[in-house]
Amino acid sequence: DQQVKQNSPSLSVQEGRISILNCDYTNSMFDYFLWYKKYPAEGPTFLISISSIKDKNEDGRFTVFLNKSAKHLSLHIVPSQPGDSAVYFCAASAGRGTSGSRLTFGEGTQLTVNP
Amino acid sequence: KAGVTQTPRYLIKTRGQQVTLSCSPISGHRSVSWYQQTPGQGLQFLFEYFSETQRNKGNFPGRFSGRQFSNSRSEMNVSTLELGDSALYLCASSLARQLTTDTQYFGPGTRLTVL
Repeated sequence: DQQVKQNSPSLSVQEGRISILNCDYTNSMFDYFLWYKKYPAEGPTFLISISSIKDKNEDGRFTVFLNKSAKHLSLHIVPSQPGDSAVYFCAASAGRGTSGSRLTFGEGTQLTVNP
Repeated sequence: KAGVTQTPRYLIKTRGQQVTLSCSPISGHRSVSWYQQTPGQGLQFLFEYFSETQRNKGNFPGRFSGRQFSNSRSEMNVSTLELGDSALYLCASSLARQLTTDTQYFGPGTRLTVL
C-alpha cells in the first residue's frame, strides 16, 4: 500500500527552465508535507515543507503547492540549474508533536538539468 | 551548528552477525528517527525515539531494535543479519516541539553490506 506516490521516475529539463515534480498521496491524515533532495550514498537534504493549512509555500527558487482536495502536491524549481540534478523525494507525516513523527516517502524522481 | 552525524559510514558484516549503528542528533533536537533505504523498497521508517522512549515503530521484524540515551544520541541494532538487510541506514533528528510538526534533518547514513 503505497500512501505517497511519485509517478515520474525521471524528469529532464533545460537549464533556466522550470522543473515541476509531482506527488500524490492517499492518506487523509497526512497534514505536513516535505521535499528532500538526495545524492547517491548521502542522506536526504531538506528543501521545503508545507502544512495542510496552506496551499503554497515559497523559498527562493523553490515553491511547493498543495491541493488537498486532489491529494496532490508539486514542487516547482525556477530557474533550474545543473546543480539541482539529484533525486527528489516527497514525504508526508500525520499528527503533531507528542503524537510522534514518522515520514512516509514517495519513490523519488531523478531530476536531470541539462546545461 | 553541527548536523546529524552517523558512525560508522560503511560496514561489512556476514550473515548471522549483529551490528550496532550510532547517531548523534543536531544539538537541541530531542527526537531521533531511523530509516532504511534499499533499491527495492525505497525509504522506509524503522522507529522513532523521544526522551529515551520508542514513540513510533514501523513494520520491521524484532531483529531491528534501538535505544536513545539521555543526551538524545541513539543507537540501532540489527541481530542475526540477513542478506536483505544490506541497505543505507539513515538517522534523522528533529526538535519535537509539542503540537508542532518539526522538520526532520538527516545524517549522511551508514552503508551496511551483508555478505
